[in-house]
Amino acid sequence: QSVLTQPPSVSGAPGQRVTFSCTGSSSNIGAGYEAHWYQQLPGTAPKLLIYGTNNRPSGVPDRFSGSKSGTSASLTITGLQAEDEANYYCQSYDSSLSGWVFGGGTKLTVL
Amino acid sequence: QVRLLESGGGVVQPGGSLRLSCAASGFTFSTYGMHWVRQAPGKGLEWVSFIRYDGSKKYYADSVTGRFTISRDNSNNTLYLQMNGLRAEDTAVYYCASYSYVSDAFDIWGQGTLVTVSS
Repeated sequence: QSVLTQPPSVSGAPGQRVTFSCTGSSSNIGAGYEAHWYQQLPGTAPKLLIYGTNNRPSGVPDRFSGSKSGTSASLTITGLQAEDEANYYCQSYDSSLSGWVFGGGTKLTVL
Repeated sequence: QVRLLESGGGVVQPGGSLRLSCAASGFTFSTYGMHWVRQAPGKGLEWVSFIRYDGSKKYYADSVTGRFTISRDNSNNTLYLQMNGLRAEDTAVYYCASYSYVSDAFDIWGQGTLVTVSS
């Protein structure tokens, strides 16, 4: 059971918009700790996708965006492409655990 | 080119020990905190341990506290994870990742090294 809750799967057709949710609590996202997102393509290491709620590292397309509200964070992909098919993980810090935490991950299927 | 390269994985019996290494290049290693993150086969990511840029503070997940030790050698740009008392549930790909004090995120990841605990 992950501290940050993510739906197991999301799907969308090419060109569509999809949103991933990440639900935390008052000891992590709700406490003001940043939410970050990582993309893990099949068979590869995770890659930082969004940091500090809605900042993109160099090279990440602006089709990817993030937001945060209360104890939750969201990742949105617009103009879905086949190469976006991957697992997406949210991450934050938890003060109750005194450690960093990840969501269980959401698998994106591009139809 | 910014790079992290893990090594030291392998097959070990329950109760055994293993030391993982993570060689950093292309950035000023001594100014970055460093994490170890693991991923069991077919599962999600699990944070394991963190060490501050200067080695002064170390943090561990409850699941590895007392068994794993994180350390670093800034003169050789290398991060380590000493794993003792290994259990079957420690079987995973272990990634090292740099922690940016600017972004607050795990910004660079290695390719991972597989640790299998089995008799």
